[in-house]
Amino acid sequence: EDKVVQSPLSLVVHEGDTVTLNCSYEVTNFRSLLWYKQEKKAPTFLFMLTSSGIEKKSGRLSSILDKKELFSILNITATQTGDSAIYLCAGRYGGSQGNLIFGKGTKLSVKP
Amino acid sequence: KAGVTQTPRYLIKTRGQQVTLSCSPISGHRSVSWYQQTPGQGLQFLFEYFSETQRNKGNFPGRFSGRQFSNSRSEMNVSTLELGDSALYLCASSPALVAGSRTDTQYFGPGTRLTVL
Repeated sequence: EDKVVQSPLSLVVHEGDTVTLNCSYEVTNFRSLLWYKQEKKAPTFLFMLTSSGIEKKSGRLSSILDKKELFSILNITATQTGDSAIYLCAGRYGGSQGNLIFGKGTKLSVKP
Repeated sequence: KAGVTQTPRYLIKTRGQQVTLSCSPISGHRSVSWYQQTPGQGLQFLFEYFSETQRNKGNFPGRFSGRQFSNSRSEMNVSTLELGDSALYLCASSPALVAGSRTDTQYFGPGTRLTVL
């Protein structure tokens, strides 16, 4: 059965801390891994990863994929209260366009 | 470009009723996917439409159905509502295959919050 597992499920840190969110996957016909940030509304796209070992960066956020070990990490440095959200990881799989299977998410709370 | 829009934003129904949700994708996007999000199960894939055809389907009962129109707008219907259908229903659009290139990025709408009493 295809699945995506995220850890930890929740995390509380203080502003300025660095956090690492984990995502492991078992997805048939895997094509890519995506990270989303969800606040009190729809998920917003962060990164799409298709190749192992190539880090993607956007400001204080970065992510990398290991296709041999079937996992990805999302790093956030110098966290801010605005980073508080649920971070979702999804594996894209299958046919012509394929679709997404999501993990349950990591709820990140950043305290001032 | 306007984002993905969904209507209505909130809906309250009673058990046994049916409901229709609407999604308008980003202009030019041809693929529309629907997801159900609940606290217990997280985000779960319902189905995907591309060029008016259902291309992929998740593990949901036949009470959940959808369609896509020629302008790429999509509707999702749930018949004989159950309490467990209370959820946030998210629609996502994707550019899909364009001239030999692909993009896997899906852009989500704000969702429709359905409450079944």
